[in-house]
Amino acid sequence: DTGVSQDPRHKITKRGQNVTFRCDPISEHNRLYWYRQTLGQGPEFLTYFQNEAQLEKSRLLSDRFSAERPKGSFSTLEIQRTEQGDSAMYLCASSPSRGDYGYTFGSGTRLTVV
Amino acid sequence: AQKVTQAQTEISVVEKEDVTLDCVYETRDTTYYLFWYKQPPSGELVFLIRRNSFDEQNEISGRYSWNFQKSTSSFNFTITASQVVDSAVYFCALSDYGMASGSRLTFGEGTQLTVNP
Repeated sequence: DTGVSQDPRHKITKRGQNVTFRCDPISEHNRLYWYRQTLGQGPEFLTYFQNEAQLEKSRLLSDRFSAERPKGSFSTLEIQRTEQGDSAMYLCASSPSRGDYGYTFGSGTRLTVV
Repeated sequence: AQKVTQAQTEISVVEKEDVTLDCVYETRDTTYYLFWYKQPPSGELVFLIRRNSFDEQNEISGRYSWNFQKSTSSFNFTITASQVVDSAVYFCALSDYGMASGSRLTFGEGTQLTVNP
């Protein structure tokens, strides 16, 4: 399977705990994106990597959020001291940097903070 | 700032009916891309179409067709002879043309389409 993989699919955590999600993009894609989608809403941009460089962050990405892509391959998104408002679907997408602007999205990680 | 509006929150049709999903966008960019994605209950966003702002030619792909009108900033999506498997949430999205920005997508709030047998 050469699609975008996200792990885990579901995560339930208690408020105040830290969580980390992983995204494995399509191997030849050097751009990687994180989006957040709350119930009944469209996805909202969080951050974007070109290879290992994090080039853009949304204002939605508070200090409790950190994303990394250490070797330009997989990426992790960590949320520290989770709050109930963090409950959402976290979507990862990848794309090549030139030519076709088609994004490929993963199936997402659904986070529930209780 | 970019904005995408999908005024129809929910649409319900009977199988074999035609259905049109509306999308209106706002952008200050003169060049941009428009997209439609399908999100079935499994959650994965499935790419349907990308259209750049230079190309106003309408497109047809099987039962799907898209009507891009730059004059009214609309990019509507029509499903002909709908089927139960078309039931999903459909998102319209907009990105700028510049590679430097990373081409982030701005999504509408989505339209829940239910096709009843």
